Amino acid sequence: QVQLQESGPGLVRPSGTLSLTCAVSGGSISSDNWWTWVRQPPGKGLEWIAEIYHSGSTNSNPSLRSRVNISVDKSKNQVSLKLTSVTAADTAVYFCARDSSAHYYGLDVWGQGTTVTVSS
Amino acid sequence: DIQMTQSPSSLSASVGDRVTITCRASQSVSTYLNWFQQKPGKAPKLLIYGASSLQSGVPSRFSASGSGTEFTLTISSLQREDFATYYCQQSYSTPRTFGQGTKIEIK
Repeated sequence: QVQLQESGPGLVRPSGTLSLTCAVSGGSISSDNWWTWVRQPPGKGLEWIAEIYHSGSTNSNPSLRSRVNISVDKSKNQVSLKLTSVTAADTAVYFCARDSSAHYYGLDVWGQGTTVTVSS
Repeated sequence: DIQMTQSPSSLSASVGDRVTITCRASQSVSTYLNWFQQKPGKAPKLLIYGASSLQSGVPSRFSASGSGTEFTLTISSLQREDFATYYCQQSYSTPRTFGQGTKIEIK
């Protein structure tokens, strides 16, 4: 079955760029799915960040849009997230998840999450 | 953005209790409504999609209903492993917003 694995630096300096990857195994990044990033600040709820289809179509949260870049690498079967100009408010656990093409069947597969701390 | 509001934010219950959580959307999301369970230190787990469809492998004590702007998640007989935080999420439009969560604690 499809599995997702997030990775990236655990510590990012303020004003720097957060860069994460989500490796997809057991399935193809080019399947009929959207690939989604969700984050969760410590002790808080879930925030939807962005999504991408293998064609390159993307959607992102307007609250983050100017700072977010999401991309897909078909050769590596992975999705990447970049968040620029980070502050302490970007400290969170970042999850990647799979969504259906019609967005009707829910985020059914999740990675275990990766913790990112923004601090000098 | 569509705002999702859950109630209550927390509740205390005992094993065997029937528990209902409500989720309200600020505008219609049709049946593009999902429910997740999250335990500490773990990723969310999909319980319900399409407002009322049980995800494969989820126990039948979980059920959900609703459409438009009002939705409910019911656990018919609370089990020890159900003590967790529950989130609704609308997938009707972007950004695909989550409710603030409902934490179920042991009474």
